[in-house]
Amino acid sequence: NAGVTQTPKFQVLKTGQSMTLQCAQDMNHNSMYWYRQDPGMGLRLIYYSASEGTTDKGEVPNGYNVSRLNKREFSLRLESAAPSQTSVYFCASRAASGNTIYFGEGSWLTVV
Amino acid sequence: AQKITQTQPGMFVQEKEAVTLDCTYDTSDPSYGLFWYKQPSSGEMIFLIYQGSYDQQNATEGRYSLNFQKARKSANLVISASQLGDSAMYFCAMRPPDSSYKLIFGSGTRLLVRP
Repeated sequence: NAGVTQTPKFQVLKTGQSMTLQCAQDMNHNSMYWYRQDPGMGLRLIYYSASEGTTDKGEVPNGYNVSRLNKREFSLRLESAAPSQTSVYFCASRAASGNTIYFGEGSWLTVV
Repeated sequence: AQKITQTQPGMFVQEKEAVTLDCTYDTSDPSYGLFWYKQPSSGEMIFLIYQGSYDQQNATEGRYSLNFQKARKSANLVISASQLGDSAMYFCAMRPPDSSYKLIFGSGTRLLVRP
């Protein structure tokens, strides 16, 4: 069972480079999320998408853009990476009527 | 504003014993939900249990139960009969009253199960 799939799993970027984290879910979920987890901390919401074509800022959106082109996919873009964006990134999804939020396995990003 | 507090950075428990992980929350909304997630060393987030603010009974899922004390604003996770595989980080989280389910997480508790 695929569930929520994130790519890449590991990435090293130089300061100022750009990259896109991809996320896809095969559960026909409406809502999708991007979180970041810094060392010793809980997850913080970057962006949220309630449905295809809609996005909403979370707690820490600065330096990120997102795109929800279809129901399955929700991508996170760093236009000009900074060392402060070194983190583990989690994508998640939820069905319209469910309480359970399913997470991907995480993407480890290091900006040097 | 909503807030989740986990005051135990780390805990030890002997294998086969029960352990309680503390979680307190702060919200002025009557409608909310509380979650517990497990994060093993491999890094994935595993959903354990959910409690809605209007649920009359405490949630249970196998060896996990949520001790929900609304007046105290606490939602402690109880793990019965601890196993070595329970060693992990545990996060408490809260959803807002709207339908977004934009979770707010606590800082986590690292549980180590001793053989």
